[in-house]
Amino acid sequence: GQNIDQPTEMTATEGAIVQINCTYQTSGFNGLFWYQQHAGEAPTFLSYNVLDGLEEKGRFSSFLSRSKGYSYLLLKELQMKDSASYLCAPHGGSWGKLQFGAGTQVVVTP
Amino acid sequence: DTEVTQTPKHLVMGMTNKKSLKCEQHMGHRAMYWYKQKAKKPPELMFVYSYEKLSINESVPSRFSPECPNSSLLNLHLHALQPEDSALYLCASSQVSGQLNTEAFFGQGTRLTVV
Repeated sequence: GQNIDQPTEMTATEGAIVQINCTYQTSGFNGLFWYQQHAGEAPTFLSYNVLDGLEEKGRFSSFLSRSKGYSYLLLKELQMKDSASYLCAPHGGSWGKLQFGAGTQVVVTP
Repeated sequence: DTEVTQTPKHLVMGMTNKKSLKCEQHMGHRAMYWYKQKAKKPPELMFVYSYEKLSINESVPSRFSPECPNSSLLNLHLHALQPEDSALYLCASSQVSGQLNTEAFFGQGTRLTVV
C-alpha cells in the first residue's frame, strides 16, 4: 500500500514563494509526480522526478529524496492563478500504479 | 496530439439506468486509468489497464465495469448506480515503463450525477 502525507492548506501573498512538502511510503517506487488541479477541472501535469535532486521548470521546481521518501514542490513569484490544489503522486508498484495524496490547497492573496 | 478525450462531459442517470463513459487517446500510451473524484478530495484510483488487460482493480463494486476494446479506447460501463456514486470520473493514460518519464495525461472528466 501507500501512505502519502502533504499539508492540507497553505496561504501566501502574490509574489511570494511557497514550498509544499510531501512524504510517502510506497511498496515500490518509480518516480513522483506533482499535479495542479483547479476546482472542477482535471489535474494538469507539473513535474515528474525519478532521480534525487532538484528539477526546475520556470517558476516551479520539484525536489526528490528517494532514501527519505520525501519530495517538495516550490512555487516562486506566486500569481493569483496559482491558487489551486497541488497533488503529490508517487508512482509505485511493478510498473505504474499512480495514487494521489490528499492535495494541498494553496491560496494566493493580493 | 497530447489529448485524452472523455465523453460525455456531463451525465445524469437514474439508479436503474445503464450508461457508458468513454475515453480515447492517440498518444500510443499502453496504460489507461479510471479515477473517481468527489468534491474537495483527491482522485481515487479505480482501474488500471496495461496493454489492454486489466491489471489493477481497486476493489471497485461490480456496478462499475471497465472495458478496453483496443489500445486507444477505454470504457466504463455503469449499471444500477447509487446516488453516492455521483462524482467526477477521470480517465488518464501513460506509457508503461518503470524508469522513463511516464507523464500521465488526464482527460477533462465526466461529471456524473445519479438521481
